[in-house]
Amino acid sequence: LAKTTQPISMDSYEGQEVNITCSHNNIATNDYITWYQQFPSQGPRFIIQGYKTKVTNEVASLFIPADRKSSTLSLPRVSLSDTAVYYCLVGDTAYSGAGSYQLTFGKGTKLSVIP
Amino acid sequence: NAGVTQTPKFQVLKTGQSMTLQCAQDMNHNSMYWYRQDPGMGLRLIYYSASEGTTDKGEVPNGYNVSRLNKREFSLRLESAAPSQTSVYFCASSEGGGIEKLFFGSGTQLSVL
Repeated sequence: LAKTTQPISMDSYEGQEVNITCSHNNIATNDYITWYQQFPSQGPRFIIQGYKTKVTNEVASLFIPADRKSSTLSLPRVSLSDTAVYYCLVGDTAYSGAGSYQLTFGKGTKLSVIP
Repeated sequence: NAGVTQTPKFQVLKTGQSMTLQCAQDMNHNSMYWYRQDPGMGLRLIYYSASEGTTDKGEVPNGYNVSRLNKREFSLRLESAAPSQTSVYFCASSEGGGIEKLFFGSGTQLSVL
């Protein structure tokens, strides 16, 4: 499984765009990149997943450069309710025939949104 | 939509006591997982069940046992609780393995005195 590296913490003011970058230098050809969000006293919640280029949903955007050795989670116009820990995970899909069940969450990035 | 339901939400044990954490999912998922999360740490996988009838060790299995009772239920048992097992425990499920989307329960806060 590819190892990921992301900043331990970030601060941002309300209304700003926040970009959290994750490094995964040994990402494999079949690997996808997934981000989860965890609020205090709750389990993590899936945010977004992508393989290459850009993926956007109602919550966030995920930018993946051509070499796929890093990815950036972009949260537009954050509010206080976006204060949470964000985890970047890398792994292949079950459909590739080599799926692994032992995903590593790491410590994540603690985002603090300031009023 | 209940999703993943864990019981109990809070538990206090004395060292040496035993208990079982219960988890049930109503999404017809094949795979289920138990994680623990210590303060300031990420989630560490204790055990997982890729499909009904199978269970496998994760990163930190020592001191725990699991049972995949049926497709819906996956329980975690502490036979002789130790203070080092004080943690928040999360159950999760997914359709399959790999990077398939994980759905988490709300967690069980366990304190072992």
